[in-house]
Amino acid sequence: DTGVSQDPRHKITKRGQNVTFRCDPISEHNRLYWYRQTLGQGPEFLTYFQNEAQLEKSRLLSDRFSAERPKGSFSTLEIQRTEQGDSAMYLCASSSIDRERVLEQFFGPGTRLTVL
Amino acid sequence: KQEVTQIPAALSVPEGENLVLNCSFTDSAIYNLQWFRQDPGKGLTSLLLIQSSQREQTSGRLNASLDKSSGRSTLYIAASQPGDSATYLCAVIDGGSQGNLIFGKGTKLSVKP
Repeated sequence: DTGVSQDPRHKITKRGQNVTFRCDPISEHNRLYWYRQTLGQGPEFLTYFQNEAQLEKSRLLSDRFSAERPKGSFSTLEIQRTEQGDSAMYLCASSSIDRERVLEQFFGPGTRLTVL
Repeated sequence: KQEVTQIPAALSVPEGENLVLNCSFTDSAIYNLQWFRQDPGKGLTSLLLIQSSQREQTSGRLNASLDKSSGRSTLYIAASQPGDSATYLCAVIDGGSQGNLIFGKGTKLSVKP
């Protein structure tokens, strides 16, 4: 079990550019979540997948944001036409739906996005 | 709409002191509650998870309790150490959604040697 990994760890981009982040969950976990965290705040939910199905999306996930999990393994989060307000830490988490249905979430190290 | 509040926002204690961090939530119909630790610029480390049917969980020097009816949880840290310095976050999963975590803003703990 190598834990949740995210790539890149840091991304600096100019306003208007597109960016894509990747998340690799813990291998046996079938649920994958994306959160966004700004300075001094707790993480805010963006979206989650169960296997390849996107089950829930937050109102924070505007039309410029899209997430995929094509084969039920890794996931990507794309932000189109970035704005300075998109600057934040983007966190990925995974959990397992099992018989006990504990739903403990394990987080990756995050991707720090800075939009200039 | 579920809201999670953590008090205090910041806490500074001398090494060796026992301390309590507080978390409250507005809707008692939660699925579970999770406590996390976050070091500056890093991701979240899961500390303890309490399912809605449980009253407390313990791991080493940490003990978390849950009182669903009053909408409260506490995280007790015994014999604090400088290495415990971090931000501690409380989060719940609503019973209805069984999906995403709803977080408080955290308590920033500083343990002075």
